[in-house]
Amino acid sequence: GNSVTQMEGPVTLSEEAFLTINCTYTATGYPSLFWYVQYPGEGLQLLLKATKADDKGSNKGFEATYRKETTSFHLEKGSVQVSDSAVYFCALSFNAGNNRKLIWGLGTSLAVNP
Amino acid sequence: GAGVSQSPSNKVTEKGKDVELRCDPISGHTALYWYRQSLGQGLEFLIYFQGNSAPDKSGLPSDRFSAERTGGSVSTLTIQRTQQEDSAVYLCASNPGPSYEQYFGPGTRLTVT
Repeated sequence: GNSVTQMEGPVTLSEEAFLTINCTYTATGYPSLFWYVQYPGEGLQLLLKATKADDKGSNKGFEATYRKETTSFHLEKGSVQVSDSAVYFCALSFNAGNNRKLIWGLGTSLAVNP
Repeated sequence: GAGVSQSPSNKVTEKGKDVELRCDPISGHTALYWYRQSLGQGLEFLIYFQGNSAPDKSGLPSDRFSAERTGGSVSTLTIQRTQQEDSAVYLCASNPGPSYEQYFGPGTRLTVT
């Protein structure tokens, strides 16, 4: 079946540290891949996405590259800020047919200390 | 413009009672999704609407759960004879069509005592 696995948290970093949150997927076909973020007390927001192999999604200094050979979509940021503290979710969906639901990882909590 | 709204924001109910959760999608969005976010379980898909029809109900956990959408707009998720394991945050999302980004509402936190 289709699934998403992301690294367990919580992740605690100091400000300006480098961030990697690993995400791998299992899918039949060619999914689109997403990172969503949930800031404390707020709803889920799309952070970035990639719709085909080798695409790089980027937003707010975060990047993730769709790697078909390793079935991965790792999230990276070169220098985190306190305001990046949130829960990050990796997700996939398919581009065809009625099966457009998002399939989610369990989420990774990130805490950035000043 | 207005985003996806959900009501109530919080609901506490006794085990065995029925509850209705409401979602108002962004105007003009034809696709609507319900998800459930449980502690330690992550997010799980419940049901997807395209217009008023539900081509994918595969995530509804039991026949106590049902959902409808009327006028291609508002959707109601109904849980009958609630159980404690139904306690979760219920999230609604919408988009202009299945290939677009999903926009999420703030969720309804359901607590079954």
